[in-house]
Amino acid sequence: DAGVIQSPRHEVTEMGQEVTLRCKPISGHDYLFWYRQTMMRGLELLIYFNNNVPIDDSGMPEDRFSAKMPNASFSTLKIQPSEPRDSAVYFCASSPRTGGGRNNEQFFGPGTRLTVL
Amino acid sequence: GDSVTQMEGPVTLSEEAFLTINCTYTATGYPSLFWYVQYPGEGLQLLLKATKADDKGSNKGFEATYRKETTSFHLEKGSVQVSDSAVYFCALKRNSGYALNFGKGTSLLVTP
Repeated sequence: DAGVIQSPRHEVTEMGQEVTLRCKPISGHDYLFWYRQTMMRGLELLIYFNNNVPIDDSGMPEDRFSAKMPNASFSTLKIQPSEPRDSAVYFCASSPRTGGGRNNEQFFGPGTRLTVL
Repeated sequence: GDSVTQMEGPVTLSEEAFLTINCTYTATGYPSLFWYVQYPGEGLQLLLKATKADDKGSNKGFEATYRKETTSFHLEKGSVQVSDSAVYFCALKRNSGYALNFGKGTSLLVTP
């Protein structure tokens, strides 16, 4: 299996522009998570989905952020408009549901490094 | 709310030295505990986990024991290698949920 795939790996944009980050989870995984990593706050959960349905979006910082999962093999995280403080590494992770699911491993993608100038 | 506290790094050790990275947690009930490792330029990988008190997780020479009385899950390795240089994250997951709550991470540098 190719693992969790994220694109782009690096994104540099100017303040005010729309940014779309993409994620393809591991096939067969029911859960998908979006995290943000910064030096100041470490790793923060932004949102997670179960079977394409958003379950908890309490970590989404503000209305400029939105996430969708139109099908089991694709998710997007969009920032519109982007601001310099959004600069971070954004990780996508997926997890299977077998065996109860709660203690199953989350498999992380390589991340997208976003720089907003 | 739930939280995880790790010792601050960076930690610098010579090859074959003994490693301990401290992790304590605050949570209601009985969470599951995890250690993840992040190598430079990569995503996080699960290193080990423990799902109940007194469980010991182990992998690649690393160990951690779930201590409920001290709410701790310290990571140890008897003899580190240069290839162990990475950032290590302690995390917890409530048994009622699926999301991980991470500590800030501890950077480890092992020198030859």
